[in-house]
Amino acid sequence: NAGVTQTPKFQVLKTGQSMTLQCAQDMNHNSMYWYRQDPGMGLRLIYYSASEGTTDKGEVPNGYNVSRLNKREFSLRLESAAPSQTSVYFCASEWGGEQYFGPGTRLTVT
Amino acid sequence: KQEVTQIPAALSVPEGENLVLNCSFTDSAIYNLQWFRQDPGKGLTSLLLIQSSQREQTSGRLNASLDKSSGRSTLYIAASQPGDSATYLCAVDPGNQFYFGTGTSLTVIP
Repeated sequence: NAGVTQTPKFQVLKTGQSMTLQCAQDMNHNSMYWYRQDPGMGLRLIYYSASEGTTDKGEVPNGYNVSRLNKREFSLRLESAAPSQTSVYFCASEWGGEQYFGPGTRLTVT
Repeated sequence: KQEVTQIPAALSVPEGENLVLNCSFTDSAIYNLQWFRQDPGKGLTSLLLIQSSQREQTSGRLNASLDKSSGRSTLYIAASQPGDSATYLCAVDPGNQFYFGTGTSLTVIP
């Protein structure tokens, strides 16, 4: 039982490049979330998915897209990376009001 | 929009001391409140979940209380140890999103 896994752990992009952050959970949870964590800002919700086939915007969705591929997987895509998207990205799943987090992806955009 | 505040931002205590971390939120209409621990460079580890019908939860040396009417939660750590050094975050759940505080960075001095 791996819980919530994220790939990659680290990534460096140039401005304008695109990439997809992958997230998977093996706990059969319906709800999944993408957050970014910046110094002094706390965690901010980018997108969430209450169930397979549905996605909704969170507090800071601009510049991102998501796909809930199936119940296990929820990916986050940056179509044209900007330096303002330098951050640590966390994926989480939720059951019964309790969230479970992945280890994070540290992304730097130069 | 729900605002979550954690005071103090940083706290340093000698080993063995009992301590209290505070979390306040602006909208009392929440379903759950969750406390997390985050070690440097790592993901979030769930410590305690308090559901709206509960007033407190305990796990080992940790006790969390919730007063929805006043918009406050406290995390009590008994007999602190150097291994408790980490950042502690609270998150509130008003129904379909989670809002995080910016955390309290705790250092326990041996």
